Amino acid sequence: EDQVTQSPEALRLQEGESSSLNCSYTVSGLRGLFWYRQDPGKGPEFLFTLYSAGEEKEKERLKATLTKKESFLHITAPKPEDSATYLCAVRLGRGRRALTFGSGTRLQVQP
Amino acid sequence: GAVVSQHPSWVICKSGTSVKIECRSLDFQATTMFWYRQFPKQSLMLMATSNEGSKATYEQGVEKDKFLINHASLTLSTLTVTSAHPEDSSFYICSAAASGETQYFGPGTRLLVL
Repeated sequence: EDQVTQSPEALRLQEGESSSLNCSYTVSGLRGLFWYRQDPGKGPEFLFTLYSAGEEKEKERLKATLTKKESFLHITAPKPEDSATYLCAVRLGRGRRALTFGSGTRLQVQP
Repeated sequence: GAVVSQHPSWVICKSGTSVKIECRSLDFQATTMFWYRQFPKQSLMLMATSNEGSKATYEQGVEKDKFLINHASLTLSTLTVTSAHPEDSSFYICSAAASGETQYFGPGTRLLVL
């Protein structure tokens, strides 16, 4: 069964304090790992898609990396506006396009 | 680009009534749309997948007669919660995908059933 596990569940950082969020997955034949940001009461906002081990993508203060078993979302010098829940998802197997999501990491960046 | 809208953004209804939620892809044609449900402090749970012009595929445990999905065009899918009850109160989110892999999400609809 496809599974996605995110850690930590919650993370509190000081502004400028870099850290990483983890997403470990077990899926037969990865067909894409996705990172989304979700603000309270809103739908997820697309950040990155990674397809193969070794792949990296960056956007502003965020960088996503992928290995054969996990993905990391690195946040460099975060700002309070980076506070949100970060969701990791993988495509379901068996040719399906739907996603299965992890439980998310709630990030709070204090000024 | 890749904007998805939902309407309404929130709805309050009485138990036993039906509620329709619309999901539109505004600047692209969505071959596939997905409906998710999210309870407080939990992650998104897939309810169903719909392809334009086809019947929706429901996830295990989701009642297809209760959650009616129609995907009549490449830009519009609707979810109707029939005979809603308080336990159906939740945050309903749709997503849409074109030919690529990335799903773009709508802003969500908060449903409260009294």
